[in-house]
Parts: sequence; structure tokens; C-alpha cells
Amino acid sequence: AQSVTQLGSHVSVSEGALVLLRCNYSSSVPPYLFWYVQYPNQGLQLLLKYTTGATLVKGINGFEAEFKKSETSFHLTKPSAHMSDAAEYFCAVIRGNAGNMLTFGGGTRLMVKP
Amino acid sequence: DAGVIQSPRHEVTEMGQEVTLRCKPISGHNSLFWYRQTMMRGLELLIYFNNNVPIDDSGMPEDRFSAKMPNASFSTLKIQPSEPRDSAVYFCASSLGASREQFFGPGTRLTVL
Repeated sequence: AQSVTQLGSHVSVSEGALVLLRCNYSSSVPPYLFWYVQYPNQGLQLLLKYTTGATLVKGINGFEAEFKKSETSFHLTKPSAHMSDAAEYFCAVIRGNAGNMLTFGGGTRLMVKP
Repeated sequence: DAGVIQSPRHEVTEMGQEVTLRCKPISGHNSLFWYRQTMMRGLELLIYFNNNVPIDDSGMPEDRFSAKMPNASFSTLKIQPSEPRDSAVYFCASSLGASREQFFGPGTRLTVL
């Protein structure tokens, strides 16, 4: 079975500070990895994804994530937080041979202080 | 492209009533998913269709829940009878199998009194 763990259900940063949201996964086969963002009262929107190839993946709104197989991690970062980044972020995994079924982490709510 | 369309956006009903949630996936997508989101349980996959056929419904809570996909452009999630604990936001998502990226609709916020 696969699982996704997001460390920290709430993260607070100051505007302009580094954003680091942690995600660890367990999968017996090479995974496909995703980060989604959910703004209040909206559906989930894809930020970025890793399937194969380069392990550093760049997404929308200045976010990026690095797939580290040895650490089974896929942490999300952004060099400088903006007020508009305040939202809930979900890490998700599909096993390489599991069709389209995503397993989501519990989510991390990012708060950005002025 | 209009994206995934869900209706209604909000539904308030009384316990015991039948509720039907509707979803129109993105044209050309061949996979459709129904999720439920609550504060207590987070995001849960309820059921997954591929080419209009239910592939995995192990997440459906109980027999009160049923889902159909009569054609490639329409799906319904029905709750009969509804209970207060069914109150949640229900999301529909679709994907084109090869890319595996799921596109989510805006959700239906269901309140059962």
C-alpha cells in the first residue's frame, strides 16, 4: 500500500520568507508525485508534478519541488512567500503501475504574515 | 475549455432526503473521480470510473451512496437517504489516462440538517 505524510498541518511564514512544505511518501514502485493547492472555497489546482526525468520540478507561481528517492521525499519550496500563497497544499502520489488513483496527504495550511 | 463542471455548488437538505450531485468532466478525458472532503477525514476518494466503467468503489461509505456514469460527459453521485454526517464538500475530477494529472471541479458543498 502507498501512503503520503505531510509534516505539519499548519505552517506560518512571513511575507518574503522561504516556504518549505514537507512531503514523504511510501511506495514499493517508482511513484508519480504531485502537489496541489486549494484556495478557500475552490477546488484543487495542480501546482507541479514529477513523473520521470529531472528530479527538480518547477511549477506555477514560483513553486518547485525536488524528488529525492533516497529520502522518499518530495518537499515543496518557494524562495519568497507572497500573501496570495496563503492556501492549503496537498501532496499526492500515484504508484507507477496504479493507473490514475491518487493517494493524498492530509494537507498543510500555509499562512503568510505581513 | 470550461474545466470540470459540478452542480449544484451548494445544497442544503434535510435528513432522509435524496441528494443528487452532478459532474461534467473535461471533454476527451476518460477517467472520472468522486472525492469527499471534510475537516475530520480530509480528502477521500469515493469512486473511480475509467471509460465510464466503475473501477474502484471501495471508498463509497455505505449502500446509501451510489454513483453512475451513463456516458463520457456526465456522472452523478446520489445519496439516499442523506444523513447529517454526509455533510461535506464533494469534488469531481477528471483526467486523461496517459497524463495522469487530475483536474478538479469547484466542488459541491452539501449540508444535511
